[in-house]
Amino acid sequence: QLQLVESGGGLAKPGGSLRLSCSASGFIFNNHYMSWVRQAPGKRLEWLAYISGRSTFDNYADSVRGRFTISRDNAKNLVFLQLDNLTADDTAIYFCARDPRVGAAGFYYFDLWGRGTLVTVSS
Amino acid sequence: DIQMTQSPSTLSASVGDRVTITCRASDNVNEFLAWYQQKPGGAPKVLIFQASTLQSGVPARFSGSGSGTEFTLTISRLQPDDFATYYCQQYSGASTFGQGTKVEIK
Repeated sequence: QLQLVESGGGLAKPGGSLRLSCSASGFIFNNHYMSWVRQAPGKRLEWLAYISGRSTFDNYADSVRGRFTISRDNAKNLVFLQLDNLTADDTAIYFCARDPRVGAAGFYYFDLWGRGTLVTVSS
Repeated sequence: DIQMTQSPSTLSASVGDRVTITCRASDNVNEFLAWYQQKPGGAPKVLIFQASTLQSGVPARFSGSGSGTEFTLTISRLQPDDFATYYCQQYSGASTFGQGTKVEIK
């Protein structure tokens, strides 16, 4: 069954860190670029980062470059997002999402999403 | 980054109505435009990609059109399951999303 399930969210202090995980099932994981997208309360969706199937390429939104790091473990069908130096503006639901293409590069739409994990940054 | 602006922000409609949502891009995105439906507490679900291609499994009452900087999502006959928030996304460059259009019951 095609599925993405995020975990690792929670409460963090300003300046703190969290590591989010996304577990994939039902498809050949290493064939697909994976992205993280977030949605702050009452705000629009914001793409954050993507990583290629073999971890050869990654790309970040300007708003998180240098603070967030995307990675993946294809043996375990997991994609991660390391969140460092957190601020209150990072409070959001974080989704992982799949690019539907096999082996293609660059930006695209997302055909599979998880239900998200909530990150709250507060002192 | 390319800015996406949707209108209206909220739309009140009744079951059976024809509904149209507009999305405008600040720069040319050709046909690299997708539409999503999101319900409270849920993940976004893709309805349309490449501006007008219906995602597999999505009812045919949903349709998309446009190219360049102006796009529309149309629901031909609104059903009870369609009350939700709709977002457009451009993927011509670094992906950006519209601010959303909430379709609520009149």
